[in-house]
Amino acid sequence: GESVGLHLPTLSVQEGDNSIINCAYSNSASDYFIWYKQESGKGPQFIIDIRSNMDKRQGQRVTVLLNKTVKHLSLQIAATQPGDSAVYFCAENTGDSWGKLQFGAGTQVVVTP
Amino acid sequence: DGGITQSPKYLFRKEGQNVTLSCEQNLNHDAMYWYRQDPGQGLRLIYYSQIVNDFQKGDIAEGYSVSREKKESFPLTVTSAQKNPTAFYLCASSIYPAGGPHEQFFGPGTRLTVL
Repeated sequence: GESVGLHLPTLSVQEGDNSIINCAYSNSASDYFIWYKQESGKGPQFIIDIRSNMDKRQGQRVTVLLNKTVKHLSLQIAATQPGDSAVYFCAENTGDSWGKLQFGAGTQVVVTP
Repeated sequence: DGGITQSPKYLFRKEGQNVTLSCEQNLNHDAMYWYRQDPGQGLRLIYYSQIVNDFQKGDIAEGYSVSREKKESFPLTVTSAQKNPTAFYLCASSIYPAGGPHEQFFGPGTRLTVL
């Protein structure tokens, strides 16, 4: 799960290592999931998305895994770089027709040299 | 250069005043959204619109109003009725979600501070 409030969960990763960011979701009707990266003071940037008919999707240096059985989503970043330091949000569409997204509280990723 | 623009980047308001935040997109997207973000928290949906002249309340619409007179524009007014308006406001757009949800593209945000 993810905490709510002023203190985000933090993941410290050494440069060059792989990062895994986890996200639990509660709505079994959710059919679309998306990961965003947000740098301080900026708007979120799209990283990768996945629909519920898939369990894995790969992008450039990133992989999203979806486990519908336990309602868990993860984002893997390969060879983490200093520029990957940011807050990462998962979001889900709970099956409505309006395209609305429900966002998690986020995970702060800190890349150390 | 396509994208979403929000203005101003920083906005200061006295208590009791209404203020309007601008959001413009040239992506030809049908759907537009307004979110509020508080420190250390995720985004919460204020209002959204799928087509011109139509919009729906999100999870925290009280104290806010919107209009959608043009496809490209979706301004948000923060009224004096909003009890705690200091926050980071984000506008987003996406293609029409008729075939299922799609990624939302975000603007750079407006940071509103009530003095």
